[in-house]
Amino acid sequence: AQSVAQPEDQVNVAEGNPLTVKCTYSVSGNPYLFWYVQYPNRGLQFLLKYITGDNLVKGSYGFEAEFNKSQTSFHLKKPSALVSDSALYFCAVRARGDLTGANNLFFGTGTRLTVIP
Amino acid sequence: IAGITQAPTSQILAAGRRMTLRCTQDMRHNAMYWYRQDLGLGLRLIHYSNTAGTTGKGEVPDGYSVSRANTDDFPLTLASAVPSQTSVYFCASSDSYQSPSRANYGYTFGSGTRLTVV
Repeated sequence: AQSVAQPEDQVNVAEGNPLTVKCTYSVSGNPYLFWYVQYPNRGLQFLLKYITGDNLVKGSYGFEAEFNKSQTSFHLKKPSALVSDSALYFCAVRARGDLTGANNLFFGTGTRLTVIP
Repeated sequence: IAGITQAPTSQILAAGRRMTLRCTQDMRHNAMYWYRQDLGLGLRLIHYSNTAGTTGKGEVPDGYSVSRANTDDFPLTLASAVPSQTSVYFCASSDSYQSPSRANYGYTFGSGTRLTVV
């Protein structure tokens, strides 16, 4: 079974400080990992993904995430937070070699990031 | 249209009534999905479709049905709405279910339908 855990419902950070949003996953075999962001009254927007290769992936709006296989983690990071980064962030996973062919992503419950001016 | 269009944006529905949420995409994505988003539960998959003419059940399919008559449209029907179906519903699509190395691999989401069943 595939699952994603986002241990923090809420993360507060001061503007200009680095931010981290945590994500751990459970999947059979190697994973495909994703981060999405949701602004109020909007759908989810793709931020970045890990498929293969370099463990550090860079995405939109200056975000990056590091795949750590031993810790089964894929934490989202940004060196300097902006007030406009305040949103709901979702981590998602899909097992490599998913034989159902459904391409189903399993989402975490989300972390609300608030950047304080 | 650019991306995914969902309609209606919001709806208040009497319990027991039938309701169809519409979803249309113009990206020619072969796979489409319906999720519901509930506080504290994140997104849960209701139904999916790999290609036109095929559908499958997700994590929470009970009380919902879907059809995929063509590539672009993927309507979600609540045959007899109940209050527990009060939620925000998101339609999504992806360009391939077998090529994650593609640049656009991942999901594109609609803006959602907020449904209240009373």
